[in-house]
Amino acid sequence: SAVISQKPSRDICQRGTSLTIQCQVDSQVTMMFWYRQQPGQSLTLIATANQGSEATYESGFVIDKFPISRPNLTFSTLTVSNMSPEDSSIYLCSVGVGRTTDTQYFGPGTRLTVL
Amino acid sequence: ELKVEQNPLFLSMQEGKNYTIYCNYSTTSDRLYWYRQDPGKSLESLFVLLSNGAVKQEGRLMASLDTKARLSTLHITAAVHDLSATYFCAVDISGTYKYIFGTGTRLKVLA
Repeated sequence: SAVISQKPSRDICQRGTSLTIQCQVDSQVTMMFWYRQQPGQSLTLIATANQGSEATYESGFVIDKFPISRPNLTFSTLTVSNMSPEDSSIYLCSVGVGRTTDTQYFGPGTRLTVL
Repeated sequence: ELKVEQNPLFLSMQEGKNYTIYCNYSTTSDRLYWYRQDPGKSLESLFVLLSNGAVKQEGRLMASLDTKARLSTLHITAAVHDLSATYFCAVDISGTYKYIFGTGTRLKVLA
């Protein structure tokens, strides 16, 4: 398994601003992902964070809105840009451990409220 | 488009009773995962099912996978209040290690 931390744990932001969420893992991991969980809903995959190259985004998510960095095998950031109230969600990073991922482990999440 | 559906969406049950949560998915996959989420918390991995016919048990929970029917079940035996949570299944997209999550089942066990 892996120990995953996220910062901040929660934030309240104004419309039109941006927030960067950090995800730190206690060991090197091959795969890192970012998910969004809207209030009372399931999880939706935003993108795969690729080390040393551009993230791979899922349908409905674009780099301009959700820029992602992954400078090394233990750290990634997700920025939510030009926020609107519809961006109010929990954002979670997850990691796959090892070359063959038996399961993904999830960080504690960042609860974002946009006013 | 891959869809993962769970039923029921909400489940209220008495302590001591048995029940099954179903997870149906719409495309071929032989990797399925079950997670638990408590209110305000992140996801906790419960079961990893990696082949047809796989069955895993932990305490009062048992999960199984039928890849031919594209169906997984999570069976609860003699429910207790501590099992109250939301349960998600997730399907791996064709071995890409990217997950599509089910709709979730919110379970409430009444004392």
